[in-house]
Amino acid sequence: KAGVTQTPRYLIKTRGQQVTLSCSPISGHRSVSWYQQTPGQGLQFLFEYFSETQRNKGNFPGRFSGRQFSNSRSEMNVSTLELGDSALYLCASSLGGINTGELFFGEGSRLTVL
Amino acid sequence: QKEVEQNSGPLSVPEGAIASLNCTYSDRGSQSFFWYRQYSGKSPELIMSIYSNGDKEDGRFTAQLNKASQYVSLLIRDSQPSDSATYLCAVNSDSGGSNYKLTFGKGTLLTVNP
Repeated sequence: KAGVTQTPRYLIKTRGQQVTLSCSPISGHRSVSWYQQTPGQGLQFLFEYFSETQRNKGNFPGRFSGRQFSNSRSEMNVSTLELGDSALYLCASSLGGINTGELFFGEGSRLTVL
Repeated sequence: QKEVEQNSGPLSVPEGAIASLNCTYSDRGSQSFFWYRQYSGKSPELIMSIYSNGDKEDGRFTAQLNKASQYVSLLIRDSQPSDSATYLCAVNSDSGGSNYKLTFGKGTLLTVNP
């Protein structure tokens, strides 16, 4: 059974640019949630998509957005990048959603903003 | 005020000892609790979940929950060097309107010395 796949694994952007990250969940999982991980703030919840609908949202600005497609693949977009957006972005796949807490994480996309 | 707090460590224990990891949370309405293990450079993986007061055992791992004290802990018996990792406590709570939020602590770094 294939795991959660995130692309790209590494990317470097400059301030003001935008970035799109992709996540393919485990087959059959309808929930995809996104997290930002930094040494200072730890793992912070961005949002969750379930069956193409945003179901839950964390406390991040509107520059952070996402969507989910009918095949459950999800994308996350960050616009007008800031230096502070440098982080590891993790997505997690779940059968029942974040309310179950049973998440399967991908390897992450490491974003560096210069 | 932080919502989920953990001692950042590092917690160092000798091989074969019991490692005790602690977590407190602020939302009294929190409903479910999880422990994730994250090896250096890897993504988190779920190791234990607990939903009701008391102890839950799974192999060498025991999760303990005390909702009155808003406290959850993880005990690792017969600690092995392979248990060396950062342990993340995650707490799920209802943020209203059937929406949920999953909040992670910053993690405790455990080192098991041979």
